[in-house]
Amino acid sequence: TQLLEQSPQFLSIQEGENLTVYCNSSSVFSSLQWYRQEPGEGPVLLVTVVTGGEVKKLKRLTFQFGDARKDSSLHITAAQPGDTGLYLCAGYVAGGFKTIFGAGTRPFVKA
Amino acid sequence: EPEVTQTPSHQVTQMGQEVILRCVPISNHLYFYWYRQILGQKVEFLVSFYNNEISEKSEIFDDQFSVERPDGSNFTLKIRSTKLEDSAMYFCASSQGARGNEQFFGPGTRLTVL
Repeated sequence: TQLLEQSPQFLSIQEGENLTVYCNSSSVFSSLQWYRQEPGEGPVLLVTVVTGGEVKKLKRLTFQFGDARKDSSLHITAAQPGDTGLYLCAGYVAGGFKTIFGAGTRPFVKA
Repeated sequence: EPEVTQTPSHQVTQMGQEVILRCVPISNHLYFYWYRQILGQKVEFLVSFYNNEISEKSEIFDDQFSVERPDGSNFTLKIRSTKLEDSAMYFCASSQGARGNEQFFGPGTRLTVL
């Protein structure tokens, strides 16, 4: 069974602090996506990383794909209350047509 | 901006009844997916579909489930005889290609089985 371990599950930080979310697996992924999901809605795509070692930036968000394509991280710089939400990583399993999701990270940013 | 749409937004059914959930993927996309999310749990892969056939399915996708692309625009998920544990949000997604391509999700159908 392929798993994508996401951590931490919850965290509470002050506005202006940085945070990092990790996704780790023993499986190799062809690509890895990061999504944000609001309650009762579908996941909204933030970024896709494809190449091992790839780094992508989206404003204050930095995404990295591990060299071996088994792990990824999301770093938020100077978090704001609007960053509060559920962040999901999802890996497209290499050699197949299946995506597996992490359990999600829910940061709470206090003003 | 093109988007994936799903109908209905909420479906309530009695245990044992058949339900069909409908999705209209983004028009130039070739790969289609169904996922489910039980309340408070992670998003789970059900099935992927390409070129009018299933590419891969999970252990959840048993004989009670089927998918179809009946008319070149809709993509449907049928549950033949619903169980209480089928209650969940069901999300459809589509992508232009596989593997390195981005999947775009619909807003979901909330299925409640009584």
